[in-house]
Amino acid sequence: KQEVTQIPAALSVPEGENLVLNCSFTDSAIYNLQWFRQDPGKGLTSLLLIQSSQREQTSGRLNASLDKSSGRSTLYIAASQPGDSATYLCAVSLYNTDKLIFGTGTRLQVFP
Amino acid sequence: DVKVTQSSRYLVKRTGEKVFLECVQDMDHENMFWYRQDPGLGLRLIYFSYDVKMKEKGDIPEGYSVSREKKERFSLILESASTNQTSMYLCASSQGTAWGTQYFGPGTRLLVL
Repeated sequence: KQEVTQIPAALSVPEGENLVLNCSFTDSAIYNLQWFRQDPGKGLTSLLLIQSSQREQTSGRLNASLDKSSGRSTLYIAASQPGDSATYLCAVSLYNTDKLIFGTGTRLQVFP
Repeated sequence: DVKVTQSSRYLVKRTGEKVFLECVQDMDHENMFWYRQDPGLGLRLIYFSYDVKMKEKGDIPEGYSVSREKKERFSLILESASTNQTSMYLCASSQGTAWGTQYFGPGTRLLVL
């Protein structure tokens, strides 16, 4: 059974720091991996989607990498800002299913 | 921009009531999903649908049913609400395969008393 783990569960950093959020999964037979952002009490916003054949995706200050063989993905946030404060979730989709399996998220706080 | 809307942001119901949660998407997406989100458990899939009148069980379908009479609308039904169904309910839609990017609604926070 696929399990998705995110470490750390919470992170507090000063503005301007570069930071890395981690996601690991137990079954490497994935179709893709997605990173989402969730603001308190709100829905999820898709940030990046990495296909299984790709190694990384970039969008602005965000860079996500994927190492399928080791079952890991990282989300790198450059020059963090208070507006980046949110919960970040990763999710994987498996071959031959139509489901996303979500991690429990990393709650990020960036203070001025 | 894709827009997914949910009928209510907050809902309070009593045990035993029948509850309807509505979700509408405006991008002609084929796939629609219902999740619930609970602290420490993350998002769990309740039901999903590939097409009109089509539905598939997710990981936790017990106590729920769904209806998709029109492509843009996907309803989640709690036949007889119970306190353990107090949760945040999130609807999502995607185009093409279910593996594509999913677009989420703002969520409905349901409290069952």
